[in-house]
Amino acid sequence: AQSVSQHNHHVILSEAASLELGCNYSYGGTVNLFWYVQYPGQHLQLLLKYFSGDPLVKGIKGFEAELIKSKFSFNLRKPSVQWSDTAEYFCAVNTGNQFYFGTGTSLTVIP
Amino acid sequence: NAGVTQTPKFRVLKTGQSMTLLCAQDMNHEYMYWYRQDPGMGLRLIHYSVGEGTTAKGEVPDGYNVSRLKKQNFLLGLESAAPSQTSVYFCASSYSRTNTGELFFGEGSRLTVL
Repeated sequence: AQSVSQHNHHVILSEAASLELGCNYSYGGTVNLFWYVQYPGQHLQLLLKYFSGDPLVKGIKGFEAELIKSKFSFNLRKPSVQWSDTAEYFCAVNTGNQFYFGTGTSLTVIP
Repeated sequence: NAGVTQTPKFRVLKTGQSMTLLCAQDMNHEYMYWYRQDPGMGLRLIHYSVGEGTTAKGEVPDGYNVSRLKKQNFLLGLESAAPSQTSVYFCASSYSRTNTGELFFGEGSRLTVL
């Protein structure tokens, strides 16, 4: 079965710090990759997605992610976080009819 | 444009009771999914549907049934609720896996089974 691993379960940062959240997937074929964000009490919303082409993908709110196929990684980055980025972040892989989600990383940004 | 709508948003059940969660989407999406979200476990796929009249099992289908009689609706049923089914349930839809592949989520349904 395919799997998605997010090794950082809980990250605490101060405002303006840089962010990198890890995501590794196990699938050797063509994949579509996503990062979703879930703000407190809300549903999941798409941050960014990769289907093909440039492995560096830019999303909303200053987030970006880079696909490194040799490492099966799709890490999420943001150069300077804000308090409003406090949320849970999910990496996801689509290999066909199903989406596989990581267990999520809870980010707390301290003002 | 409402997107994906789930009802009810909250429900408390006693063990053994049955209930149905309704998901409706107005985006003419082919694919619909039911996930459950539990602390530390992320989202796990319960069942999904690739079109009207079709359903398939996901990672954790036991104890749940689904139906997709109309393209816009995807129902999740619990025949005999158990405390282990206490969770937040999310419905999602997508146009197709080969098109945008992006999932659009509903706001969730919080179910507590006593």
